[in-house]
Amino acid sequence: DTAVSQTPKYLVTQMGNDKSIKCEQNLGHDTMYWYKQDSKKFLKIMFSYNNKELIINETVPNRFSPKSPDKAHLNLHINSLELGDSAVYFCASSQFPTSGEQETQYFGPGTRLLVL
Amino acid sequence: DAKTTQPNSMESNEEEPVHLPCNHSTISGTDYIHWYRQLPSQGPEYVIHGLTSNVNNRMASLAIAEDRKSSTLILHRATLRDAAVYYCILRDLRVETSYDKVIFGPGTSLSVIP
Repeated sequence: DTAVSQTPKYLVTQMGNDKSIKCEQNLGHDTMYWYKQDSKKFLKIMFSYNNKELIINETVPNRFSPKSPDKAHLNLHINSLELGDSAVYFCASSQFPTSGEQETQYFGPGTRLLVL
Repeated sequence: DAKTTQPNSMESNEEEPVHLPCNHSTISGTDYIHWYRQLPSQGPEYVIHGLTSNVNNRMASLAIAEDRKSSTLILHRATLRDAAVYYCILRDLRVETSYDKVIFGPGTSLSVIP
């Protein structure tokens, strides 16, 4: 059983389009994340959601919006796609720690987005 | 934001130990040191983490300098499946304010030679 899954695996689209990437986790975690990995392989956190509340919102364009219909899902919606949005997007989940012990993050397989 | 620096790449012979270094001279008291690895065309995978003391698990060992400004990930016997990009990460987690920030460095690409 896949712990963190993403769809689609590949996404090719034209500039200006709106697209969504879906993420689901079956680990019972209460926190989910979105990361962007650019062509230089730098992995940068974009958002995290804990109990439907946004905890971290890095300086990403407001064209990107995370949507969480329930605790097991965190979808990434992107409006007016630009060439620079081409990257690999990873979803991840973890259990937000209530004590000092840190929890690991489990990553999905990634969605490779190409904007033409 | 505290950052990490790692060698761009390293090579190891199969079944030999590998020591992957990481410098984090601006680490703060609330930063945990995490290591993840990313195999080709896959998402990152957790390896190990620690705060001050050395840590061991089934995958690796983590040696943390006394001043916490550097750490070393130790793979005791490298296998071909260990060929990946290894990320040294500082995670600033403040439970009382629900603050959780993760900064990935550029990573070290490890090649394992048969």
